[in-house]
Amino acid sequence: AQSVTQPDIHITVSEGASLELRCNYSYGATPYLFWYVQSPGQGLQLLLKYFSGDTLVQGIKGFEAEFKRSQSSFNLRKPSVHWSDAAEYFCAVGAHNFNKFYFGSGTKLNVKP
Amino acid sequence: DAGVIQSPRHEVTEMGQEVTLRCKPISGHDYLFWYRQTMMRGLELLIYFNNNVPIDDSGMPEDRFSAKMPNASFSTLKIQPSEPRDSAVYFCASSSTGGTTDTQYFGPGTRLTVL
Repeated sequence: AQSVTQPDIHITVSEGASLELRCNYSYGATPYLFWYVQSPGQGLQLLLKYFSGDTLVQGIKGFEAEFKRSQSSFNLRKPSVHWSDAAEYFCAVGAHNFNKFYFGSGTKLNVKP
Repeated sequence: DAGVIQSPRHEVTEMGQEVTLRCKPISGHDYLFWYRQTMMRGLELLIYFNNNVPIDDSGMPEDRFSAKMPNASFSTLKIQPSEPRDSAVYFCASSSTGGTTDTQYFGPGTRLTVL
């Protein structure tokens, strides 16, 4: 069965520091992978997505993610975090033939001044 | 474009009452999705429509929940009767062509509290 695990519930980083949010998935075939961000009181916004090809994917707001098939991971990174990045981040895996996404439980990011 | 519009943004009701959540998708989008977000279960897909037709409602928790899409610009999610365990944030999302590769655009959500 498809599933997504985000092992870190909360992460706090200092502004300007680098960031890596972890995501592990379970899927029977090549997955479609996504990262979404949810700011307080807002809906989810797509940061980036991976379907095939280059395993390093660039997204909006300076984020990138790397697909590692051998580790079943799709970690999100940003070299220098800004205070406005404080939000909750969700990893999701999509089923190929269906309009279904399986979301992780989310990681809340706090940014210290 | 105004994006996906949901109303109300907040709803507080008493157990046993009927609750109706509303969604207006982005114009031209053929797919509409309803999600529920809770602390315990995270974000779950409840149902989705294609061209106003319900395609998969396997995520609807029970018969108390129903969803309709009478036209391309409007959908409702109804809970009758409501129970405290229905308290959650309900999101509506839409996409243009559907499929896993298509981006879903989410509304701001409706925070439902059932007392």
